[in-house]
Amino acid sequence: AQSVTQLGSHVSVSEGALVLLRCNYSSSVPPYLFWYVQYPNQGLQLLLKYTTGATLVKGINGFEAEFKKSETSFHLTKPSAHMSDAAEYFCAVILMNTGFQKLVFGTGTRLLVSP
Amino acid sequence: DTAVSQTPKYLVTQMGNDKSIKCEQNLGHDTMYWYKQDSKKFLKIMFSYNNKELIINETVPNRFSPKSPDKAHLNLHINSLELGDSAVYFCASSPYSGTQAYNEQFFGPGTRLTVL
Repeated sequence: AQSVTQLGSHVSVSEGALVLLRCNYSSSVPPYLFWYVQYPNQGLQLLLKYTTGATLVKGINGFEAEFKKSETSFHLTKPSAHMSDAAEYFCAVILMNTGFQKLVFGTGTRLLVSP
Repeated sequence: DTAVSQTPKYLVTQMGNDKSIKCEQNLGHDTMYWYKQDSKKFLKIMFSYNNKELIINETVPNRFSPKSPDKAHLNLHINSLELGDSAVYFCASSPYSGTQAYNEQFFGPGTRLTVL
């Protein structure tokens, strides 16, 4: 079965520092992988996705993620954190369900950004 | 011009009551979803409808009944509410996926349900 594991329920960085949020997946087939962001009291917004092709995927707000098959990882990075990046981040993978697709989410990582 | 909207945004009710949450999307999508986010922020799919037809039905108590009057609306009715139903419920929509390439899901703002 396909699933994702996010290491670290909380990550704290200083403004301007590198952001690294970790996600590992388990999948018996090439996965479709996603990162979603949830700002306080809001719904989820797609940051970026990997389906096929280039393994380094660029998303919105300066975030990017690299699909590494050998490490079964899809870590999310941003070179320089901004206060507005403080939010909950979810890694997700597609699971086929009787021919229809559904998203399976990780447990989330809260990013805290200090001045 | 909200893409996916939900009403109400907050819902506070007593145990044993019946309540409904409504969802509407104006994106022209064929597929709609209900997710539950618990107090630990864990998100799990509950139901999915494609063009008014139920296609995904996770292990959800029978007290939860989705209804899709048309492909732009997916409502969630909950009978005999229990304390454990307290959560944030998200509606989402996407173009039809089926076995084709993934199509992005667009999420509503959520409905925070509190059962007392």
